[in-house]
Amino acid sequence: QSVLTQPPSASGTPGQSVTISCSGTSSNIGSNSVNWYQQVPGTAPKLLIYSTYQRPSGVPDRFSGSKSGTSASLAIGGLQSEDEADYYCAAWDDSGPHVLFGGGTKLTVL
Amino acid sequence: QLQLQESGSGLVKPSQTLSLTCAVSGASIALGGYSWSWIRQPPGKGLEWIGFLFYTGGTHYNPSLKSRVTMSRDRSKNQFTLKLTSVTAADTAVYYCARGDYYVDSWGQGVLVTVSS
Repeated sequence: QSVLTQPPSASGTPGQSVTISCSGTSSNIGSNSVNWYQQVPGTAPKLLIYSTYQRPSGVPDRFSGSKSGTSASLAIGGLQSEDEADYYCAAWDDSGPHVLFGGGTKLTVL
Repeated sequence: QLQLQESGSGLVKPSQTLSLTCAVSGASIALGGYSWSWIRQPPGKGLEWIGFLFYTGGTHYNPSLKSRVTMSRDRSKNQFTLKLTSVTAADTAVYYCARGDYYVDSWGQGVLVTVSS
């Protein structure tokens, strides 16, 4: 069981906006930055958001990250069919210390 | 352009040692200040961080695997390795090597390692 809790699934129609949550504790999200990865089935994950808010070069600005207290969110605007993938949050945990991943959220574009 | 490529045995017997190598091209594993990580993913499940190797050669491992994990590097070949001892079926996973530590920005394609007799 992951210490970072994500909803197992999310969905939306093309053009809609979707938000995926990631809930942690004071030892991880509460005190460290959050990172998000996108994984299309059968491929390696891809860094989507790092340091809570930053987008790597090439990631569309439709993707944005935020954090409040011990929870973080990934927002996807203008949903597209190619956004259908699994999304994972991750954060450093001071109690390990080690990197923790969320359990992942499967996004379906209807 | 940075590229990472995992290689190693795809089938390991229970209680034996899993050994994987990550060949890096496009960057030096000993320069640039980057760390180099191993992450795994059991079939149909989520990601699990195994540990990372600092560019200085130091290491940091997941506490849950620490007693069984060793990471090392070969600077002359620009590659780094993962060894996991006393494997069980629970260690069956796709193993990824990647660049970074607290977050990783480049991944290998992954290699499936199955633990079975």
